[in-house]
Amino acid sequence: DVKVTQSSRYLVKRTGEKVFLECVQDMDHENMFWYRQDPGLGLRLIYFSYDVKMKEKGDIPEGYSVSREKKERFSLILESASTNQTSMYLCASSSGLAGGTDTQYFGPGTRLTVL
Amino acid sequence: QKEVEQNSGPLSVPEGAIASLNCTYSDRGSQSFFWYRQYSGKSPELIMFIYSNGDKEDGRFTAQLNKASQYVSLLIRDSQPSDSATYLCAVNHSSASKIIFGSGTRLSIRP
Repeated sequence: DVKVTQSSRYLVKRTGEKVFLECVQDMDHENMFWYRQDPGLGLRLIYFSYDVKMKEKGDIPEGYSVSREKKERFSLILESASTNQTSMYLCASSSGLAGGTDTQYFGPGTRLTVL
Repeated sequence: QKEVEQNSGPLSVPEGAIASLNCTYSDRGSQSFFWYRQYSGKSPELIMFIYSNGDKEDGRFTAQLNKASQYVSLLIRDSQPSDSATYLCAVNHSSASKIIFGSGTRLSIRP
């Protein structure tokens, strides 16, 4: 079974803090993704990565950065957290056998609240 | 027009009946179609994927794809209260290697 883990289930931070969200997958997947999910807006892609040290902007990259130094780990960084970044953050991975369009497996999510 | 559209619901179906969830997409070049189930407060989990026109069955679930009409659906037979969740339709983007998710349909199975 694919296992995707995220460092925290719940996180509370203050405006202006630097926030790190960590994601680890154990299936040697090539692709990793960061989404945020908000009521009525569905899943929105922030960043994705097809290989170590490679990253691509998704639909809403503003205010975020990412790091992929090892294949199994993909980090999302909020350089200066703002209240509008309060959301559920979901990490996903996929094998990469079909480019970026194969089945994605999700981690449990991190609910981030920025005060 | 949204790239992947779903009726937000809630869709209320009596226990034991067939639940029918629908999804339309705008990218005519899309080739991969997925249905995910998401319980409240949990992350999405894959139910089925379909690549070819027609029906694909897996237990109580049937995915139906009609590329000409740009329409994909999910049927749940013998609906159970445990099927109550939000169902997300996802479609690959033909010119960018990513998947686009719909906003989801909330399904409620009433006893």
